[in-house]
Amino acid sequence: AQSVTQPDIHITVSEGASLELRCNYSYGATPYLFWYVQSPGQGLQLLLKYFSGDTLVQGIKGFEAEFKRSQSSFNLRKPSVHWSDAAEYFCAVAVGKNTGFQKLVFGTGTRLLVSP
Amino acid sequence: GAVVSQHPSWVICKSGTSVKIECRSLDFQATTMFWYRQFPKQSLMLMATSNEGSKATYEQGVEKDKFLINHASLTLSTLTVTSAHPEDSSFYICSVASRPEQYFGPGTRLTVT
Repeated sequence: AQSVTQPDIHITVSEGASLELRCNYSYGATPYLFWYVQSPGQGLQLLLKYFSGDTLVQGIKGFEAEFKRSQSSFNLRKPSVHWSDAAEYFCAVAVGKNTGFQKLVFGTGTRLLVSP
Repeated sequence: GAVVSQHPSWVICKSGTSVKIECRSLDFQATTMFWYRQFPKQSLMLMATSNEGSKATYEQGVEKDKFLINHASLTLSTLTVTSAHPEDSSFYICSVASRPEQYFGPGTRLTVT
């Protein structure tokens, strides 16, 4: 079955430091992958997505992610974290190729804390 | 991407009553919308897929008679929580499908007292 694993429940990063959030997926075919961010009490905002092509994708707010098929990973990175980046981050894979990728399967999320 | 709104953003209701949550796609004709439930500090759980003009498809374990979904137009889907109980208290989020992407609403916090 398709699944997404985010091994880090919480991560604390100092403001200005670099960030990497891990995501591993299990999916039989070429995956459609997403990273979403959720601020407290808010919906989800799409940070970036990978469908095909260049394995390093750029997103909003200075985020990027790299798709590594050999490692079944899609890790999210940012070179310099800002205090406003503190939020919950979800990795997701679109599933159901035969039904037009009807659904998203989400990881359990990683809460990012930014220290001064 | 699509702009999605939800109303209300926050609602408190008494146990045994019903509450309706609206999900609107403001700038996109949404033939498919999704309804999710999120418990505190947890991930999103897909409840159902809402298709315009037809019955919703519910995920396993979701009571379709309790969580009534209506998708009467290309811009509006509603979720009605019937005979609400305190355990129904949660954060409900809808999304609009633009396959394979989804665009999410801001969510509705339901508290049942």
